[in-house]
Amino acid sequence: QVQVVESGGGVVQPGGSRRLSCVTPGITSEYYSMHWVRQAPGKGLEWVAFIRNDGNDKYYADSVRGRFTSSRDNSKTVVYLQMDSLRVEDTALYYCAKDQNWGFGAWGQGTMVTVSS
Amino acid sequence: QSALTQPASVSGSPGQSITISCTGTSSDIGGHNYVSWYQQHPGKAPKLMIYEVSNRPSGVSYRFSGSKSGNTASLTISGLQAEDEADYYCNSYTSSSTPWVFGGGTKLTVL
Repeated sequence: QVQVVESGGGVVQPGGSRRLSCVTPGITSEYYSMHWVRQAPGKGLEWVAFIRNDGNDKYYADSVRGRFTSSRDNSKTVVYLQMDSLRVEDTALYYCAKDQNWGFGAWGQGTMVTVSS
Repeated sequence: QSALTQPASVSGSPGQSITISCTGTSSDIGGHNYVSWYQQHPGKAPKLMIYEVSNRPSGVSYRFSGSKSGNTASLTISGLQAEDEADYYCNSYTSSSTPWVFGGGTKLTVL
């Protein structure tokens, strides 16, 4: 079973930036396309972003396009979600999940991002 | 408002079967066979239960099954058990500008 670990969450002011990281310990993530999915407190799941295993294709939800950017490092062991121009409504638990047959296979435990002044 | 519509809640007694519906459009459920279902227990990460409409990942109980008809997908849980009590979410790939969309979630209560 693939493990997924997210990090980088915290408290940030509206208009600020935050970068989240996602690793798959013991497994080279270059083999996996990855998604970011978020869940606001007490709310449902919202798909946020996707990055293909080769990094050449990236897709975003309308709600974050132009503000969030997904990338992966040269060794392809870490996937990032750069979040800029953060809004109060971006407050959520952010999950990283491995793509599996156009769905979301292994999930991490999430990292909490709170946007508040 | 979620792109896919699920009932807010369903319930059933142990041993019974229940079905959760997920209604979309021809741009998502009706136009693609990339429908998936997730189980989420309180305070836990979601777990993939069904992918590509009706396929079960390794380790998921045979009691969980998925299907699709037109613009509506369904998750059926047979032989309900107390441990099945959780929130369930459907997801579909779409032809819209946001390529994956979730349903609003359904809370399953095992009576």
